[in-house]
Amino acid sequence: AQKVTQAQTEISVVEKEDVTLDCVYETRDTTYYLFWYKQPPSGELVFLIRRNSFDEQNEISGRYSWNFQKSTSSFNFTITASQVVDSAVYFCALSEAGAQKLVFGQGTRLTINP
Amino acid sequence: DAGITQSPRHKVTETGTPVTLRCHQTENHRYMYWYRQDPGHGLRLIHYSYGVKDTDKGEVSDGYSVSRSKTEDFLLTLESATSSQTSVYFCAISAGTQETQYFGPGTRLLVL
Repeated sequence: AQKVTQAQTEISVVEKEDVTLDCVYETRDTTYYLFWYKQPPSGELVFLIRRNSFDEQNEISGRYSWNFQKSTSSFNFTITASQVVDSAVYFCALSEAGAQKLVFGQGTRLTINP
Repeated sequence: DAGITQSPRHKVTETGTPVTLRCHQTENHRYMYWYRQDPGHGLRLIHYSYGVKDTDKGEVSDGYSVSRSKTEDFLLTLESATSSQTSVYFCAISAGTQETQYFGPGTRLLVL
């Protein structure tokens, strides 16, 4: 069965600090896809990144970076030099090959204080 | 931004009344989904559609039905709303089963 665990319910940091959001997943499939979404206070869900199970290269996009490690079934998300606008709930999600649904973690509420 | 709209955006209704939520897309994507978001549960799939008149159940489908008579519209119906269906409902679309799902703005439903 698919499962995604985001153990950090809430994180609060001061602006300009680096912060890492953890995501651990469970799946029996060898082919699967991992996602991160951002939900700002306005409520919409914004897609951030998609990764397939065959690509373990880390990815960097501006201040955002993602560390995918199959050995530990983790797909962690780091924000460097955080800003107040990064305050949001962040969801990690998993989709198995052939499956029709995304399985979401419970989300991590990130608060960046000025 | 993906062209997805949801209506209504907010609704208050009473227990036992029928409610229909609409999702409309302008992307001509084949797949459409309905999720609900509740505290402590993230988002959970209610129903999805893989084409006109082709739908299937998700993990929390009890009490909900869906219909898709046109590519661009996917309707979610609560036949007889209950307080446990108070939630935020999100529609999503994707071009294929392995493709990224893009979400609509959400509908906040309160069942009194």
